[in-house]
Amino acid sequence: SAVISQKPSRDICQRGTSLTIQCQVDSQVTMMFWYRQQPGQSLTLIATANQGSEATYESGFVIDKFPISRPNLTFSTLTVSNMSPEDSSIYLCSVEGGTYGYTFGSGTRLTVV
Amino acid sequence: AQSVTQPDIHITVSEGASLELRCNYSYGATPYLFWYVQSPGQGLQLLLKYFSGDTLVQGIKGFEAEFKRSQSSFNLRKPSVHWSDAAEYFCAVGAVIKAAGNKLTFGGGTRVLVKP
Repeated sequence: SAVISQKPSRDICQRGTSLTIQCQVDSQVTMMFWYRQQPGQSLTLIATANQGSEATYESGFVIDKFPISRPNLTFSTLTVSNMSPEDSSIYLCSVEGGTYGYTFGSGTRLTVV
Repeated sequence: AQSVTQPDIHITVSEGASLELRCNYSYGATPYLFWYVQSPGQGLQLLLKYFSGDTLVQGIKGFEAEFKRSQSSFNLRKPSVHWSDAAEYFCAVGAVIKAAGNKLTFGGGTRVLVKP
């Protein structure tokens, strides 16, 4: 199955600033997925990122707040823009591994102060 | 729309006792079903998955799950729990037919506490 390197692993940010999270996969994948896990909650899909096209956002998530880049088949970034304390969450990227199922990065624990 | 329900938010079990975590799903197409475990401060690790075939699926760490289509359930079991099994467990459903979409939908999670 694919191996995902996600960074940073954690960060503490000031409100109003932006943070860019990176995910690097050790193999080429068509789709990458970005999830948010709010404190004590389950995972919610933010968007699906295909290489060469605009990301597809789920209801409640918008590109201005969570811009995503997908420059090639092994890399993607998620930016959390104009952060507020409500954005404090764990953000995870994921790829589909065919019969291996979906693999997740180790997550970015974001605290906004 | 697909959905996953994990009825138990918390479960406390004694070390060495058996464990069963419930998962019910609602999905209009043929589902892929997954169980993931998240240890404190860690990412998600796949325990097992069901795509098709034998409805009793064996996973890692001694876990197994049984797919029951008639009950729309995919319950996770372990015969004898170890202290290291204390974690959050998530059930998830995805689409077999990719035209229906690739995303996973997660249940709310069950936190397992293991007593010595």
